[in-house]
Amino acid sequence: QVQLVESGGGVVQPGGSLRLSCEASGFTFSRNGIHWVRQAPGKGLEWVAFIRYDGNAKYSGDSVKGRFTISRDNSKSTVYLQMSSLRAEDTALYYCAKDRAYSVEVWGRGSTVTVSS
Amino acid sequence: QTVVTQEPSFSVSPGGTVTFTCGLSSGSVSTSNYPSWYQQTPGQAPRTLIYTTNVRSSGVPDRFSGSIFGSKAALTITGAQADDESDYYCALYMGNDIWVFGGGTKLTVL
Repeated sequence: QVQLVESGGGVVQPGGSLRLSCEASGFTFSRNGIHWVRQAPGKGLEWVAFIRYDGNAKYSGDSVKGRFTISRDNSKSTVYLQMSSLRAEDTALYYCAKDRAYSVEVWGRGSTVTVSS
Repeated sequence: QTVVTQEPSFSVSPGGTVTFTCGLSSGSVSTSNYPSWYQQTPGQAPRTLIYTTNVRSSGVPDRFSGSIFGSKAALTITGAQADDESDYYCALYMGNDIWVFGGGTKLTVL
């Protein structure tokens, strides 16, 4: 079945960097777009970034643009989220998710990022 | 900046029917926004209920239905059950590979 497994989360100091990975299985990875969605503690879902099957990428806006980079390696069925210049407000559970018909279809279980000194 | 609006909370009696809405701070929601709906219980990852306005995701019971209701997207639960008590989020496709989630609706079944 379709499965997405996030990894790479942890505790990082403000201004630091972290790279999240999302390993996919159970579908033709190279033909599907992948989202990153985050959820701050006690808050709602926030769409962060999307990468098309061909590597074209988009980001949610000023809050992450220029600091986050989404990429993919189709040979490894893996999507990455490189995060730099991290701020306290980036603290969240980060989900990767498979796209279907302009929506999120299947979610991973998430990886926790904590930005704290 | 586009804001997607949802009711903060709703309550429904067991067996009852409830309809949540998902709107835009400016303009109307249409099928071109590919409205989708997600259910999340505390401590769990979200679960996709509806995508592309009204298509149920695999395994979702038919008492969950999606539609466009006036200028908004809508999620209706018919015959609410105790385990429907969750947070419900909608998401809208804004074009150009950009999505926005609503703030979520907390459903209480009592």
